Amino acid sequence: DAKTTQPNSMESNEEEPVHLPCNHSTISGTDYIHWYRQLPSQGPEYVIHGLTSNVNNRMASLAIAEDRKSSTLILHRATLRDAAVYYCILRDAGGTSYGKLTFGQGTILTVHP
Amino acid sequence: EAGVAQSPRYKIIEKRQSVAFWCNPISGHATLYWYQQILGQGPKLLIQFQNNGVVDDSQLPKDRFSAERLKGVDSTLKIQPAKLEDSAVYLCASSWGAHINEKLFFGSGTQLSVL
Repeated sequence: DAKTTQPNSMESNEEEPVHLPCNHSTISGTDYIHWYRQLPSQGPEYVIHGLTSNVNNRMASLAIAEDRKSSTLILHRATLRDAAVYYCILRDAGGTSYGKLTFGQGTILTVHP
Repeated sequence: EAGVAQSPRYKIIEKRQSVAFWCNPISGHATLYWYQQILGQGPKLLIQFQNNGVVDDSQLPKDRFSAERLKGVDSTLKIQPAKLEDSAVYLCASSWGAHINEKLFFGSGTQLSVL
């Protein structure tokens, strides 16, 4: 599986934007970039995903570099509820991986009031 | 829409005992996953079902772990005998299918402590 690299932790203030980076220099052409987050004592939840173009949904935006070797998850206005572990995951559309979701260590986001 | 249901929420056992976890996926979801999450780490996939067939169990310790999904709906994960290193949260997830664009929906997990 192609590997992602994320900072161990980041901090933000409430109502400010947050940019969570992810490096994936060995990404292949069939890899989709997925983001999940895990709130305390809960299972992970889907945030957003994309292939080449930037993506927006009600939760966040995903900015993908032109060479696809990195991406950034953008939370436009952080709230206390956004404090979680954020996982950047490459999901392979090809081969026999059956779209397996392989989690790394993630980034622990702390949001200050 | 009801979410993925898991039980029990917590389980404490002694080493060498057996334990079973139950998962009820979202109605209509064909793909079901069991993940193991050790404290401080990201979840690790143990087994993936497509309907009632196994498509990936490469990281399942088959000497002690087993899983089944009868009739392609509910699933159980069993550990027999348990070891101290099995202490973890066991997460069940489901999705409509295994397509790359399908979202996974996770349950809240079963926290297992092996003493």
